[in-house]
Amino acid sequence: GENVEQHPSTLSVQEGDSAVIKCTYSDSASNYFPWYKQELGKRPQLIIDIRSNVGEKKDQRIAVTLNKTAKHFSLHITETQPEDSAVYFCADQTGANNLFFGTGTRLTVIP
Amino acid sequence: NAGVTQTPKFQVLKTGQSMTLQCAQDMNHEYMSWYRQDPGMGLRLIHYSVGAGITDQGEVPNGYNVSRSTTEDFPLRLLSAAPSQTSVYFCASTSAQNTEAFFGQGTRLTVV
Repeated sequence: GENVEQHPSTLSVQEGDSAVIKCTYSDSASNYFPWYKQELGKRPQLIIDIRSNVGEKKDQRIAVTLNKTAKHFSLHITETQPEDSAVYFCADQTGANNLFFGTGTRLTVIP
Repeated sequence: NAGVTQTPKFQVLKTGQSMTLQCAQDMNHEYMSWYRQDPGMGLRLIHYSVGAGITDQGEVPNGYNVSRSTTEDFPLRLLSAAPSQTSVYFCASTSAQNTEAFFGQGTRLTVV
């Protein structure tokens, strides 16, 4: 089955610094790559996504890059704020709208 | 518009008991799915449905049954609960036109 690996598992940054989370996937047919943010005790919520025909997408302080050849994609958060502290999950989609998730990154932004 | 609604939010079961986790969506989405979330393992797909009357297995289907008699509802059944099924369960729905998955608020299940 599909395998999505995510690193690092924990990440601490000073407020205002940047954070980068990286994921790799195995299925070359994957065509959609979302990132979800999950606050403690809450449901996962989509923060940004990218499709396989696009190399980069940006939304204010958040950006995602995709390298199809290498089968990896990354989440970049700039000017981090304490409210960015959460667990972030990458995922990919291969067909039938099935999402396969990475194991998550716990981001802590230190004020 | 409530989105995706799951009940109950919390449940404690004894080993061997059965129960049904309810999931309903009011967005007329065709695709619905169930995930379990365990520490350090992300979200793993249990079962999914691409429309009413159609269900299929995901990554970790053993011990769970589903049905999809209507577009709105997608219940998850545990026939004989085991401690290994202690987890947080999330239901999600997606439209055919948009790939964003909308999650319910989750059910924290403990099997003792």
